[in-house]
Amino acid sequence: QVQLVQSGAEVKKPGASVKVSCKASGYTFTSYGISWVRQAPGQGLEWMGWISAYNGNTNYAQKLQGRVTMTTDTSTSTAYMELRSLRSDDTAVYYCARVWYSILPKRIDPWGQGTLVTVSS
Amino acid sequence: QSVLTQPPSVSAAPGQKVTISCSGSSSNIGNNYVSWYQQLPGTAPKLLIYENNKRPSGIPDRFSGSKSGTSATLGITGLQTGDEADYYCGTWDSSGWVFGGGTKLTVL
Repeated sequence: QVQLVQSGAEVKKPGASVKVSCKASGYTFTSYGISWVRQAPGQGLEWMGWISAYNGNTNYAQKLQGRVTMTTDTSTSTAYMELRSLRSDDTAVYYCARVWYSILPKRIDPWGQGTLVTVSS
Repeated sequence: QSVLTQPPSVSAAPGQKVTISCSGSSSNIGNNYVSWYQQLPGTAPKLLIYENNKRPSGIPDRFSGSKSGTSATLGITGLQTGDEADYYCGTWDSSGWVFGGGTKLTVL
């Protein structure tokens, strides 16, 4: 079955970087994209961006431009999201999810289990 | 402030029907497919409806979706206590994906 398994929880200090991994299985990795979505405590879903696993093209949310990098390793069917210059308001659960797209994303399914990133001094 | 507007909460009794609205604009809902996601407490979101009105395999037909112009609606019939969750609409908008602010469904 299609599955996305994310790396474990992280605790980081302000100003540090975090890199979260997302290993995909059960489908042809390069036929889809991977999106990253985060959810701050008690808040709604915030789209961070997506990457085409076919050609590595990325599209990032404007507010995160310059701080976020999304990459894929097609040899291991793994996607990565790195967020730099962490601040306390980056504390959130970070989800990866498979993106169905033709030219633009059409739906996001399924989702990984989530990775809690806590930013605290 | 989300680009897509949803009511913060809705409620209904078990067995009843509820609808959740998602209002947008021509740059998002008006020209793109809408999908709906269910997030049960403490879990990752799950796709309920895609391409406005299609259900993935395994989603019961109690869940339905529709779209008209720049608005979309999620309908749930035969409400069950297990339907208590947060529901989000989502779609592409100009330069990125957007979600609604989420609607908390309470089954009284």
